[in-house]
Amino acid sequence: AQKITQTQPGMFVQEKEAVTLDCTYDTSDQSYGLFWYKQPSSGEMIFLIYQGSYDEQNATEGRYSLNFQKARKSANLVISASQLGDSAMYFCAMRDITGFQKLVFGTGTRLLVSP
Amino acid sequence: DTEVTQTPKHLVMGMTNKKSLKCEQHMGHRAMYWYKQKAKKPPELMFVYSYEKLSINESVPSRFSPECPNSSLLNLHLHALQPEDSALYLCASSQTSGSTDTQYFGPGTRLTVL
Repeated sequence: AQKITQTQPGMFVQEKEAVTLDCTYDTSDQSYGLFWYKQPSSGEMIFLIYQGSYDEQNATEGRYSLNFQKARKSANLVISASQLGDSAMYFCAMRDITGFQKLVFGTGTRLLVSP
Repeated sequence: DTEVTQTPKHLVMGMTNKKSLKCEQHMGHRAMYWYKQKAKKPPELMFVYSYEKLSINESVPSRFSPECPNSSLLNLHLHALQPEDSALYLCASSQTSGSTDTQYFGPGTRLTVL
């Protein structure tokens, strides 16, 4: 069965610094997708970045990059130059073939950015 | 444009009421989803519609009734809910239901059942 693990319940970072949010996953499928979402206190789930299992390059989207280590089954999110608006809950999620259409989420990491 | 809209933003209802949540997308996506999210927890999948047909029902109680009138619209009909059904209800859509397709979420409806 699919499983996503986020071991950091909370993280603190100062403005303008970089921060890494950890995510490990477990699947027996060869084809899967890994996603990161941001959820501010308003509740909306905002898609940040996607990594496919066959992608050889790490995904990047602006200040967000994904440190994908397939052999270790990890997909850590790196946020560079943190901003106050980055304070939110961050969820790692995965879909695989066996899980069919289900997007399985980790428990989330709450990031707080201080001035 | 990756916009999914949901109405209403907030809903308060009694246990005997009937209400509906609405979700709309104009991205040409053929898969749409309902999730339930309790405070401090990740979203939990409730239903999946693929090409306007219900493809997944995650053993959701019958007091929740989904409907997909067309490829752009998704409704969730609520009847005789319980206080424990109070949660954030999120709608999402994706190009198809494939494992590598990104799901885009709406802003959610915060439901309170009295």
